[in-house]
Amino acid sequence: NAGVTQTPKFQVLKTGQSMTLQCAQDMNHEYMSWYRQDPGMGLRLIHYSVGAGITDQGEVPNGYNVSRSTTEDFPLRLLSAAPSQTSVYFCATQLAGLTDTQYFGPGTRLTVL
Amino acid sequence: DQQVKQNSPSLSVQEGRISILNCDYTNSMFDYFLWYKKYPAEGPTFLISISSIKDKNEDGRFTVFLNKSAKHLSLHIVPSQPGDSAVYFCAASAGGSRLTFGEGTQLTVNP
Repeated sequence: NAGVTQTPKFQVLKTGQSMTLQCAQDMNHEYMSWYRQDPGMGLRLIHYSVGAGITDQGEVPNGYNVSRSTTEDFPLRLLSAAPSQTSVYFCATQLAGLTDTQYFGPGTRLTVL
Repeated sequence: DQQVKQNSPSLSVQEGRISILNCDYTNSMFDYFLWYKKYPAEGPTFLISISSIKDKNEDGRFTVFLNKSAKHLSLHIVPSQPGDSAVYFCAASAGGSRLTFGEGTQLTVNP
């Protein structure tokens, strides 16, 4: 039982490059979310999904795309990376409607040059 | 518009003493509050929560207090241990599962 896994752990991109951050869970949780953590800003919600085939925008969605084709996977795509997207990205899962059962992955540290 | 604020970026306490971490919120629709703990290079982990129908919730050394009239909650850790050194995030939810997080407070417990 791996819980929530994120790959890669670290990534350096050049401005304008695209990439996909992977998130997978084996807990059969309906809700999945992507957050970014920046110094002095806490965790900000990028996109979330309440189930396979359903996604919605969070607080800071611009520059990111998501899809949810299966319960297990929730990839985050950066279409054209910008230095402002340098951050630590966390994927989280939870049982729908039960806020305190949210589980976070270990994070991906992304640097955009 | 920061709806959940943790005004102290850092806090340092001696081992064995009480740690008090504070959090203020502005959205009166928030009805569920949580504290998460985060070690370096790891994701946040759930610590303790409180519903707006309560004013206190305890779990071992951790107690969360909620003052709805002041829109303020606090996390008390007694006694503090060096292993409690981490970043603590306050979070709030308004009737659903989307959480709004505060900026975090770095707690350092000195031996």
